[in-house]
Amino acid sequence: SQQGEEDPQALSIQEGENATMNCSYKTSINNLQWYRQNSGRGLVHLILIRSNEREKHSGRLRVTLDTSKKSSSLLITASRAADTASYFCATTSYTGGFKTIFGAGTRLFVKA
Amino acid sequence: NAGVTQTPKFQVLKTGQSMTLQCAQDMNHEYMSWYRQDPGMGLRLIHYSVGAGITDQGEVPNGYNVSRSTTEDFPLRLLSAAPSQTSVYFCASSERDSSYNEQFFGPGTRLTVL
Repeated sequence: SQQGEEDPQALSIQEGENATMNCSYKTSINNLQWYRQNSGRGLVHLILIRSNEREKHSGRLRVTLDTSKKSSSLLITASRAADTASYFCATTSYTGGFKTIFGAGTRLFVKA
Repeated sequence: NAGVTQTPKFQVLKTGQSMTLQCAQDMNHEYMSWYRQDPGMGLRLIHYSVGAGITDQGEVPNGYNVSRSTTEDFPLRLLSAAPSQTSVYFCASSERDSSYNEQFFGPGTRLTVL
């Protein structure tokens, strides 16, 4: 079973609104990463947060991590139509070797 | 730098055929991995490698073989293709290990098994 699970599965908002996506995971992690995938393309790394960090910012992105609840959230502020994509969280854990496991993703649609 | 390259971009196989998906990176990354992505789903880890000569299984390794003879190349072999292996395959690489560094992804190989 996949380590990370995103919520919601799909999200539709108006341009200018904020978008929040959540990710839950099951086991201890070394870090959690968020990636974006435009339709039919490869994944692009957005941000990485380590297990000893609680919050990180990058431009319009804000990521939080709560290791006690095994959850993370990605906030995109002032969304744009170009933000329309699928967003995946990925957790890295050491289990005899570092493995990065992806969740099923949140499909974000930003209406102009 | 070309980054992570994958060939072919598209492939159609018949059940039982074998083939190798190629992956190469020119960033001198130690860590490489293969994922498959089925429609509407996230990526599932097939195999990964933490350096030349070292490989290990991921979440869904059955039906796939890998080897890592050089730092640059990490081919994925399908020994006897099955319709259940119809998917998009992504190769990724990262510096050191993926614990602290982002993974760089190739453009993907779209595989159909009839």
